[in-house]
Amino acid sequence: EIVLTQSPGTLSLSPGERATLSCRASQSVSSNYLAWYRQKRGQAPRVLIYGASSRATGIPDRFSGSGSGTDFTLTIRRLEPEDFAVYYCQQYGSSPRTFGGGTKVEIK
Amino acid sequence: QVQLQESGPGLVKPSETLSLTCTVSGDSISGYYWSWIRQAPGKGLEWIAYIYYKGDTDYNPSLKSRVIISVDTSKNQFSLRLSSVTAADTAVYYCARGHHDFWPWGQGTLVTVSS
Repeated sequence: EIVLTQSPGTLSLSPGERATLSCRASQSVSSNYLAWYRQKRGQAPRVLIYGASSRATGIPDRFSGSGSGTDFTLTIRRLEPEDFAVYYCQQYGSSPRTFGGGTKVEIK
Repeated sequence: QVQLQESGPGLVKPSETLSLTCTVSGDSISGYYWSWIRQAPGKGLEWIAYIYYKGDTDYNPSLKSRVIISVDTSKNQFSLRLSSVTAADTAVYYCARGHHDFWPWGQGTLVTVSS
């Protein structure tokens, strides 16, 4: 099973600032099959990025994903109020599908 | 657009079987993979299983001995059964489309295991 470790656990930033979230895998993620999700309080997660760097339909271009192998990054160029939420990475290169523990982006 | 809705009991007794159904609307269940994912209160996400509309399945090994996922294309539904539940199975259970990344998701349903 691939274990995904997200850091930091909490990121305290102000609206308009840039956020950089990390996801590290315990072994290489096949074909860079890695997705990122945003989960607002009380809601289901929403996919932002798939294939490590492809934006999902309807996702604004302030969200970008990068990385390969075992190290992946989600960057939010300028934080909007709705971006203060919890973010999860998830790998689908092997079974079982696994999620990281999450990074909470909170208002500073 | 496609929408998913979970349904089932919100309270299940320990050692009994949790049963949930996901009803898909706005699109056919055929042609896609469908998954169940859960989230314990205040915790992260755990993938449980997926099923292809033709019946192919995959399960999380941590739950495989207790889980059955099934699909009913005539009703545009798929279902989850989790047996021998304990308090550790208390969670919000989500259904979602896909077996790679998951989208869209249902709103989730809280299932509490308690006597």
